[in-house]
Amino acid sequence: DTGVSQNPRHKITKRGQNVTFRCDPISEHNRLYWYRQTLGQGPEFLTYFQNEAQLEKSRLLSDRFSAERPKGSFSTLEIQRTEQGDSAMYLCACRRGHGATNEKLFFGSGTQLSVL
Amino acid sequence: DQQVKQNSPSLSVQEGRISILNCDYTNSMFDYFLWYKKYPAEGPTFLISISSIKDKNEDGRFTVFLNKSAKHLSLHIVPSQPGDSAVYFCAASPPDNNNDMRFGAGTRLTVKP
Repeated sequence: DTGVSQNPRHKITKRGQNVTFRCDPISEHNRLYWYRQTLGQGPEFLTYFQNEAQLEKSRLLSDRFSAERPKGSFSTLEIQRTEQGDSAMYLCACRRGHGATNEKLFFGSGTQLSVL
Repeated sequence: DQQVKQNSPSLSVQEGRISILNCDYTNSMFDYFLWYKKYPAEGPTFLISISSIKDKNEDGRFTVFLNKSAKHLSLHIVPSQPGDSAVYFCAASPPDNNNDMRFGAGTRLTVKP
């Protein structure tokens, strides 16, 4: 257990529906990341927060995706009008930050999304 | 663009023998390298790392070697155990931008009893 909690673990939805995932990071970690992993690939960076500020977004993050971290603690990732191509494992990760470099990421167990 | 490559999707090793997992990278700005281990239905967990100022880092049965001139790193597991069976991801990040950690596609290691 890395201390990073993600809910739900699995989500099955129909194409066109909206889904929301939640991540609760390690409490003293101020940097939070969302990654996506598809079969046979490594995690791909989606977006990143420093406290409540969303500082970077990947071009993979289309306008149907939105992420928030309202109080600098938990984060949510919402996908609107889901498509079958959105089916993947969505991983949340965090690290302490505070100006340090060369820090490892702590990953949650992920949310497996299946879009039918 | 795939800046971190793991060209072997799978590796099978007998218990007790050495497992060698390889990783190549193209971005010469990367200066911190990590290996993560992933079991099914779980997120990746950190295994071992190395910074570019070193060429070797050892932690118990796990050793990571870095060859900067060849832009190549490898993970050695010796002796291999059945519990080591998992997918191993190589990751790399440039200095001052740890936001941009890149991962390889992973190598599935199977250690046979």
